[in-house]
Amino acid sequence: DGGITQSPKYLFRKEGQNVTLSCEQNLNHDAMYWYRQDPGQGLRLIYYSQIVNDFQKGDIAEGYSVSREKKESFPLTVTSAQKNPTAFYLCASSAGESSYNEQFFGPGTRLTVL
Amino acid sequence: GQQLNQSPQSMFIQEGEDVSMNCTSSSIFNTWLWYKQDPGEGPVLLIALYKAGELTSNGRLTAQFGITRKDSFLNISASIPSDVGIYFCAGRSSGTYKYIFGTGTRLKVLA
Repeated sequence: DGGITQSPKYLFRKEGQNVTLSCEQNLNHDAMYWYRQDPGQGLRLIYYSQIVNDFQKGDIAEGYSVSREKKESFPLTVTSAQKNPTAFYLCASSAGESSYNEQFFGPGTRLTVL
Repeated sequence: GQQLNQSPQSMFIQEGEDVSMNCTSSSIFNTWLWYKQDPGEGPVLLIALYKAGELTSNGRLTAQFGITRKDSFLNISASIPSDVGIYFCAGRSSGTYKYIFGTGTRLKVLA
């Protein structure tokens, strides 16, 4: 069953703690992305990765870090430097820079910092 | 970061009515995508468009890639209550992996 999995669905952390959100895909996609969504808002790009061991900052990268050691995995760490981390986080993937290129999303992780 | 202009922002319609929404960009795109998002879920891809002027359908949904390559339209025919949700457009230019998203259209269907 192909797709993108994100875990956990809900995550609670105390202020000042780092937390890592998981994203795995079995679509054999080259590119992976992390977005943040706040209530009633659109999607804002945090980081994206075109290939393994390479990634670029998106529009709101401050306070976040990522790694891309495997093609299938693109974990996102929300650090204590992120001033307002409570949000809905979405992972996505796409085949890359081909002519026919669709982007698919995972189910999301809702992070609440107490 | 850049966001696409998507309109309307929200709309209430009666069940059975047709719905139209659109996205406009200041940049030329070579890909347009349309998504639907339900509360607390990830966006689901509805339609993908790759050529200027292309018209593509998915059931009651029809989307078009604008001739200027700077806009796209989504139509929903004979709306039903389960069409409720937020619809997003997304565009991508040639030579980049980044997608630019619209601000969303929140659709509410009155039975």
